[in-house]
Amino acid sequence: SQTIHQWPATLVQPVGSPLSLECTVEGTSNPNLYWYRQAAGRGLQLLFYSVGIGQISSEVPQNLSASRPQDRQFILSSKKLLLSDSGFYLCAWSVGGNPPDEQFFGPGTRLTVL
Amino acid sequence: GIQVEQSPPDLILQEGANSTLRCNFSDSVNNLQWFHQNPWGQLINLFYIPSGTKQNGRLSATTVATERYSLLYISSSQTTDSGVYFCAACLNAGNNRKLIWGLGTSLAVNP
Repeated sequence: SQTIHQWPATLVQPVGSPLSLECTVEGTSNPNLYWYRQAAGRGLQLLFYSVGIGQISSEVPQNLSASRPQDRQFILSSKKLLLSDSGFYLCAWSVGGNPPDEQFFGPGTRLTVL
Repeated sequence: GIQVEQSPPDLILQEGANSTLRCNFSDSVNNLQWFHQNPWGQLINLFYIPSGTKQNGRLSATTVATERYSLLYISSSQTTDSGVYFCAACLNAGNNRKLIWGLGTSLAVNP
């Protein structure tokens, strides 16, 4: 069966510090991968999605970037965090291909920027 | 772009009561999912339901794609049903595999 991992689970970082959040998927090959952010406990915002290694689509201009160095690894980064980057970050995967398939979510990372 | 609207935004139930949550979407979609977000933030997949009716224990869902809505039924509610329920519609535009999210229904089940 497939599983999705995210780490760290929680993170407290000062403004201006760098960020690296990691997501890995097990039990599937060539998945579609997604990064979402949820603020104030309601509403998910799609940040990035990837259909393959090195293929990243950005949904919202922001202080963040994403990379996919391996088939089942998705990384969310920032060079300098802003207060507004605080939130709950969720990684998701779906079976690759067309049409869109069911998405499954990781446990999330709760980021607080002070 | 497509919009997804959920109602009601908030709901309070006594344990044992039944409820219906609604999700309206403004355009044709390829698929629709229902999720439950528990108090720890985990998003749990409830249903993947492009059309028709599915049941899983005390929960069931119906999507009428031609009329652009989906319903989630919770019967004999329990305190563990508390949390936020989201619907999300899959929009397929080329390689753009997006989930468009509603704002959720926050459910509190009191003992």
